[in-house]
Amino acid sequence: DAGVIQSPRHEVTEMGQEVTLRCKPISGHDYLFWYRQTMMRGLELLIYFNNNVPIDDSGMPEDRFSAKMPNASFSTLKIQPSEPRDSAVYFCASILNWGPSGYTFGSGTRLTVV
Amino acid sequence: QKEVEQNSGPLSVPEGAIASLNCTYSDRGSQSFFWYRQYSGKSPELIMSIYSNGDKEDGRFTAQLNKASQYVSLLIRDSQPSDSATYLCAVTSGSARQLTFGSGTQLTVLP
Repeated sequence: DAGVIQSPRHEVTEMGQEVTLRCKPISGHDYLFWYRQTMMRGLELLIYFNNNVPIDDSGMPEDRFSAKMPNASFSTLKIQPSEPRDSAVYFCASILNWGPSGYTFGSGTRLTVV
Repeated sequence: QKEVEQNSGPLSVPEGAIASLNCTYSDRGSQSFFWYRQYSGKSPELIMSIYSNGDKEDGRFTAQLNKASQYVSLLIRDSQPSDSATYLCAVTSGSARQLTFGSGTQLTVLP
């Protein structure tokens, strides 16, 4: 089991550019979550999917943010256009329905917008 | 009002001591409670889950839950320098699947 795989690990981009973050959940997991972590706000849920369908996107900060899950093994989080305040670590996590194991997090993508 | 609050840190304890980490939550409908450990620059990793009132022990870790007081805690016995990390409390509410995290408590175990 390779775990939750995120790419890229680090991304530095200029303000106004489009950024795409990628996530491959653990095979068989039917829930996928995108979180953002900053020193000021901690871990915030952005959006989550169940069986590839977005369930709750109320945490997506602005229309500049969008997320898709075209199939069970791949999800993207896109920011267009990016702004310096989007700089954060973005985590993807997945679970199988629900149970004592809780979430498995990916290694995260550290995004810096200059 | 923040939904999940953790005791302010940072917290320092000497090696071998008991570290006590506390968390309160605002939603009485909360069902499941988790403690995650996050080393600097790494992703959170689950160390304990608890669903019923009382204590749950796993090695040197004990989670305690009191739903009436809306309080969950984590005790780390015989603390080791390798326990130095940020500890995150996380809660789910009702039938929801998403976790709400506290801001974390940074623990340092001094050799």
